[in-house]
Amino acid sequence: DAGVIQSPRHEVTEMGQEVTLRCKPISGHDYLFWYRQTMMRGLELLIYFNNNVPIDDSGMPEDRFSAKMPNASFSTLKIQPSEPRDSAVYFCASSLYAQPQHFGDGTRLSIL
Amino acid sequence: QQPVQSPQAVILREGEDAVINCSSSKALYSVHWYRQKHGEAPVFLMILLKGGEQKGHEKISASFNEKKQQSSLYLTASQLSYSGTYFCGTELSGGSNYKLTFGKGTLLTVNP
Repeated sequence: DAGVIQSPRHEVTEMGQEVTLRCKPISGHDYLFWYRQTMMRGLELLIYFNNNVPIDDSGMPEDRFSAKMPNASFSTLKIQPSEPRDSAVYFCASSLYAQPQHFGDGTRLSIL
Repeated sequence: QQPVQSPQAVILREGEDAVINCSSSKALYSVHWYRQKHGEAPVFLMILLKGGEQKGHEKISASFNEKKQQSSLYLTASQLSYSGTYFCGTELSGGSNYKLTFGKGTLLTVNP
């Protein structure tokens, strides 16, 4: 079975550019999570969706970050404009309620 | 509130045992344990629910002390493959708000 698929795997861009990260959850899962991982702060929950509806976006750092889930099989996380401090590994995960979260391979983002 | 993990790092020789602790200042509904190898995604190990029993699989087991709001992960007779960073994720309440807050992780290194 296919797991959670994220793209791109690596992204290097210059400060001020728009960045779009993509995620395809496991079919049938009704929860989707976006996490950011850094050495300093660890694994932080940015936002999560239930049945395509955003439930909690309190972890989104600021208005430069936005996330959408237009359907059950696709979600995006956008950063506009990007800044060097946004450099991190961004993970998408999906699950059924109260079940193990399955993580994608992550997007390693570098903002120069 | 981010759970606190201890120790931050531990080095073992193959065959030795280790305990990793995860503490919360708030009442917990469940605790989830994940392991992440360098450059890879976190992988689920086990879930412990409030009122549930200690869980285990082969040489890795865990417990959940509701009075102390603490969970412990036990690794016995460690193998080289156990190396990685171990994260606990805590859920404060049941219901549809399925949200985990992860600790900063414990780096486990198993040497031959």
